[in-house]
Parts: sequence; structure tokens; C-alpha cells
Amino acid sequence: SQTIHQWPATLVQPVGSPLSLECTVEGTSNPNLYWYRQAAGRGLQLLFYSVGIGQISSEVPQNLSASRPQDRQFILSSKKLLLSDSGFYLCAWSVSPRDYGYTFGSGTRLTVV
Amino acid sequence: GQQLNQSPQSMFIQEGEDVSMNCTSSSIFNTWLWYKQDPGEGPVLLIALYKAGELTSNGRLTAQFGITRKDSFLNISASIPSDVGIYFCAGQLSGQGAQKLVFGQGTRLTINP
Repeated sequence: SQTIHQWPATLVQPVGSPLSLECTVEGTSNPNLYWYRQAAGRGLQLLFYSVGIGQISSEVPQNLSASRPQDRQFILSSKKLLLSDSGFYLCAWSVSPRDYGYTFGSGTRLTVV
Repeated sequence: GQQLNQSPQSMFIQEGEDVSMNCTSSSIFNTWLWYKQDPGEGPVLLIALYKAGELTSNGRLTAQFGITRKDSFLNISASIPSDVGIYFCAGQLSGQGAQKLVFGQGTRLTINP
């Protein structure tokens, strides 16, 4: 069966520090991968999505970047965190074209102090 | 960008009551989905709707894909304490190879025992 792993679960980082959040998927090949951010417990904002290795699409301009070095690995990064980067970050996957809907990871709660 | 209008934003009900929430959009979607999010967790898919007019049930949950393809509703019958959480609707846009979903802002359900 397919599973999605996201870590760490919580993270407290100082302003200006770098960030790396990792997401991996097991049990499937060539998934579509997504990074979402959720502020204040509601409202899911799509940040990045990827349809294949090295292919990254950005939805909103921001202080973050994403990379997909392997088929089932998706990384969210920042060189210098801002206070406004705090939030709940969710990774998700789907398999095109017949599978509808996403499967989400358990999320990372990021607090920038 | 695309937006879904989800209402109500919050609901405070007594255990055993029925719940109804809905989403509307100015755009046509080819798939509607309903998710539930527990505190500190990623959203979990409840129901997926694939055809206009479709009515689908999952236990005490019933959802319908509006005939105009621009709206959907979710009903929960005989609510129980574990129904507490945030419910999100999501629409999949036509022709989107990466299966990008647009999410509503969520309905926070609180149940008084």
C-alpha cells in the first residue's frame, strides 16, 4: 500500500535560519507531489507541485523553494526564514491520470521565532 | 486565482444533530472532493464526486455534485463527538495534468455533548 512520510512533525527556527522539510512516498511510482501551507488551522494554499524528477512549478512568489531529487522525494527549502513563513506545511501526492484527490502527509508545524 | 466559497465558516451543534455545509464556485469543476482535518493532522479524503448530479454516501456522510458543476454540499447525519474537526471542500479544475485542487476555506465543526 502507498504511504507518505513527512518530517519533522514540529520545528522551531530562528528568523534568518535555513529550512529543509522532507517528504517521501512509498508504494507508488511517478507520483504528482505537492507542498501546501495552512495558516491558522484553515485555508490550504498550494505552494509547489511536481509532476516528475527535477520538474517544479511554483504557485505563489515567496521565500521558499522546492526540489525533487528523486522520484518519490520532495523537499521544501528556504535559505533565510521570515516570521511570515510560520505555518503548517503539508505534503501530498496523487497519481495521474485516474486517481482523483490527494493523500496528505501528517504535516510539519513550523514556528519561526 | 480560483476560489471556492465554503459556508458556514463555523458550526456549533449538539451531539445527534444533522450538519449541512456547502461550497460554491464561479468556475466549473470536473471533480469535487470533501476532506476532514483533525487538529495537528493532514486532511483525510471523505468523499469524491466525479459526475454532475452525483449523490454519494459514506456512512453518515452524504455529498452531492451540483448539476451546474459549480457547487457541492456535504451532510452529516446524527453527529457524534468524533465528527469534530475542519471540513474542506476541494474542486479539481478541468485539463490540469498535475491534478491541482482548489480548496475552500473550511468549516470548523464543534459539537457540544
